[in-house]
Amino acid sequence: QVQLQESGPGLVKPAGTLSLTCAVSGGSISSGNWWSWVRQPPGKGLEWIGEIFHSGSTNYNPSLKSRVTISVDKSKNQFSLKLSSVTAADTAVYYCAKMIAAPYYFDSWGQGTLVTVSS
Amino acid sequence: SSELTQDPAVSVALGQTVRITCQGDSLRSYYSSWYQQKPGQAPVLVIYGKNNRPSGIPDRFSGSSSGNTASLTITGAQAEDEADYYCDCRDSSGDPYVLFGGGTKLTVL
Repeated sequence: QVQLQESGPGLVKPAGTLSLTCAVSGGSISSGNWWSWVRQPPGKGLEWIGEIFHSGSTNYNPSLKSRVTISVDKSKNQFSLKLSSVTAADTAVYYCAKMIAAPYYFDSWGQGTLVTVSS
Repeated sequence: SSELTQDPAVSVALGQTVRITCQGDSLRSYYSSWYQQKPGQAPVLVIYGKNNRPSGIPDRFSGSSSGNTASLTITGAQAEDEADYYCDCRDSSGDPYVLFGGGTKLTVL
């Protein structure tokens, strides 16, 4: 079973850029799956941010697309999230997850990391 | 854009059967998956595809779909099933993206 682990700063200043990395272990990031970021504001539901394939192909949530960049580093078996121009509304637990295709479902999740946007 | 609609809260008596539903146009084209989330924990997959359970998920969990509605049924609910449940679905009406339902808080009485 693949394991995922998020890492990155827990505090980001307003108008800054949130940067997180997800390390993949127990399997290859080039295994033919989609690798996603999902977030959950405190007390609220899940929101999909975007995904990347090992080839570098990406898909993003239309509501966040202008601020999001997801990239992959196959040499390190990890993928990353950058979210720019953050506000307090971006405060959330951020999860990385692996999506199996056809049928589509998330079969592995990281433990999540809380990112707070505050000055 | 499309969305997935879930009832915010549902309750069930211990040992009884409960159905949690998820509605959305995307469900006409793609199967939904279902995730259980307990406080402070990451979501856990409980149902995927037509009606498949990952290893370790009790067989009291089952899934079904009809038209624009997907359902998660728990037959003989246990105290440990009390959690938030989320459906999701892939939408490819434009660029592909993933939708989540708003979540259903299940209380076992």
